[in-house]
Amino acid sequence: GAGVSQTPSNKVTEKGKYVELRCDPISGHTALYWYRQSLGQGPEFLIYFQGTGAADDSGLPNDRFFAVRPEGSVSTLKIQRTERGDSAVYLCASSAGQGTEQYFGPGTRLTVT
Amino acid sequence: GDSVTQMEGPVTLSEEAFLTINCTYTATGYPSLFWYVQYPGEGLQLLLKATKADDKGSNKGFEATYRKETTSFHLEKGSVQVSDSAVYFCALLYTGNQFYFGTGTSLTVIP
Repeated sequence: GAGVSQTPSNKVTEKGKYVELRCDPISGHTALYWYRQSLGQGPEFLIYFQGTGAADDSGLPNDRFFAVRPEGSVSTLKIQRTERGDSAVYLCASSAGQGTEQYFGPGTRLTVT
Repeated sequence: GDSVTQMEGPVTLSEEAFLTINCTYTATGYPSLFWYVQYPGEGLQLLLKATKADDKGSNKGFEATYRKETTSFHLEKGSVQVSDSAVYFCALLYTGNQFYFGTGTSLTVIP
């Protein structure tokens, strides 16, 4: 079966613009996670969904970042008024439930110019 | 807070050499510990894990033992291959939701 997919694979945007990053989890996985990986660093947790609800959004850096998962499957990470410091690889992962193995997508590389 | 400290790279080894990548952690309780691997152009993949003290995780010739007394989870392989060239991440899972990752160690194996 298909793994976690993310689109687009690369996104270049200008400072101040709005971007949306999409994640398609593994079918049937109820838990979905977003991470951000800056150059030379490990992934940093952003937000965790269990079903449609954000169970833990403590990693979102500020209110410019928002994520939704309206039907409990696909998720969209939204970044408003992008800044150059937002440039990173955004990773999505899904798992069958809390505490179980997380399967990662290939990531979206966001570059803010 | 919870954190992982990982040996800095990059590491370059000849084929068939012995590999050790050090990882130590800080956690208030008893986390599960993981090694993830990222091959060039691919996403993170789980390599091995251990969920309690003294457990040994193993996969593809790699091993790591959960040492509570030294708060460590060092990755080892007895004989590396060119195909092992990748970035390796140590991680802990404590609350059940969030992984805390180390900064990653880049390994290059030369023939």
